[in-house]
Amino acid sequence: DARVTQTPRHKVTEMGQEVTMRCQPILGHNTVFWYRQTMMQGLELLAYFRNRAPLDDSGMPKDRFSAEMPDATLATLKIQPSEPRDSAVYFCASGLRASGRFYNEQFFGPGTRLTVL
Amino acid sequence: GNSVTQMEGPVTLSEEAFLTINCTYTATGYPSLFWYVQYPGEGLQLLLKATKADDKGSNKGFEATYRKETTSFHLEKGSVQVSDSAVYFCALSTDTGNQFYFGTGTSLTVIP
Repeated sequence: DARVTQTPRHKVTEMGQEVTMRCQPILGHNTVFWYRQTMMQGLELLAYFRNRAPLDDSGMPKDRFSAEMPDATLATLKIQPSEPRDSAVYFCASGLRASGRFYNEQFFGPGTRLTVL
Repeated sequence: GNSVTQMEGPVTLSEEAFLTINCTYTATGYPSLFWYVQYPGEGLQLLLKATKADDKGSNKGFEATYRKETTSFHLEKGSVQVSDSAVYFCALSTDTGNQFYFGTGTSLTVIP
């Protein structure tokens, strides 16, 4: 049963600390998305990668957020320094974009619930 | 530009009632359309999809038809159950596959 996994599931930290969230996409998927979900803003796309290259990170605050894919099996989202307003659930999703296909179905991980005090 | 608009919630229904959640979209070209469901404490799961006009997606008793003439993809279920209580998201993917847009979500609560 192929699934997207995310670690940690919960993270509580203090303002100013670095936070790293990890995601393992489904094997064979070539597209990875990072989303943030809050009650106020709903679901926001932060960044996404295709074949490990960043395609769009316009939704991400560049001064403190960074996203990378060191290899095809790992995506990371870092916040440094973290702030209370970063408290949210962060979702990773993966999908397969193949040549000639015109839709992208996304498979979501369970999320990382981040609380910044 | 591309966007998805879905009806505001929350929606509260009695068990076995009929459900409709409206979704309309704006897109250039020929997008694919999706409904995702999010149960409490979980990530989003694909519920159903349609990739071209007049396609009907269906799953678990839910249905939605891709209507290009009205740019709509309304979600329906004939008889809801308590276990259907969740947040439902309408979404589209552009035909280049490079952009993905979600609606704001509609919370559904089904009471016994």
